[in-house]
Amino acid sequence: AQKVTQAQTEISVVEKEDVTLDCVYETRDTTYYLFWYKQPPSGELVFLIRRNSFDEQNEISGRYSWNFQKSTSSFNFTITASQVVDSAVYFCALSEARGNTGKLIFGQGTTLQVKP
Amino acid sequence: NAGVTQTPKFQVLKTGQSMTLQCAQDMNHEYMSWYRQDPGMGLRLIHYSVGAGITDQGEVPNGYNVSRSTTEDFPLRLLSAAPSQTSVYFCASSYSNVLGDTQYFGPGTRLTVL
Repeated sequence: AQKVTQAQTEISVVEKEDVTLDCVYETRDTTYYLFWYKQPPSGELVFLIRRNSFDEQNEISGRYSWNFQKSTSSFNFTITASQVVDSAVYFCALSEARGNTGKLIFGQGTTLQVKP
Repeated sequence: NAGVTQTPKFQVLKTGQSMTLQCAQDMNHEYMSWYRQDPGMGLRLIHYSVGAGITDQGEVPNGYNVSRSTTEDFPLRLLSAAPSQTSVYFCASSYSNVLGDTQYFGPGTRLTVL
C-alpha cells in the first residue's frame, strides 16, 4: 500500500533558525512523483515542488531546499533562516500510479510555527 | 488567469440539507478533482474527472455527487448533508491525469453541518 508519513505534527522555531520537515513514503511503484504543498493560515494550498523518482538531485530555491533519498524513502524539506511568513501547515504528497486516477496521497501535515 | 476558484468560501448547513460546492478553472485543464481535508488525516480524494463528461469515484465518495458538463466547471453536490461531512473541501486541477502532473488547488470551502 502507498503511504506518506509526516511524523512531526508540530514544530516551533524562532525566526532565523533552520528547520527540517520530514517526509517518509511507501510505494511499490518504480516510477512515482513526490510533492510538497504549503497551507498558510489563509487556508489555500500552494504548490512548492515536484520531484520524480529518477531524479535524486537535491533542489534549492532561495531559502528552501529539498533532500530526496530513495535509499531511505524520504523527501525532506529544509527552510534556512526561517521567517514568520513561513508559518504554515506543510504537506508532503505522493502520486498514485495505479488506475491513472491522478490521486495524490497526502501525509498528515506538519504545522510549522516561526516565532519572531 | 484566476486559476482555480471555489464558491462559497464558508457554508453552514443543517443535517439533511443539500447544496452544491462550485469549482471552476480557467487553465484549460482536463483533469479536475475534489478532496476533503480533516484534522490529522491530510487530504482525501472524493471524486475526480479526466475530462468533460467523464467522472469517477475516489477514496471517499459516499454522500457526494459530481458532474462535468464543461472543461471549466466541476461542481460537488452534497445530497443530504450529515455532520460527518463537516470538513474543508478543496478542488484541484491539472493538465491531465498523467502520473506526476502538478495539481493546483483552489482556496477551499469550509463546510459545517449542524
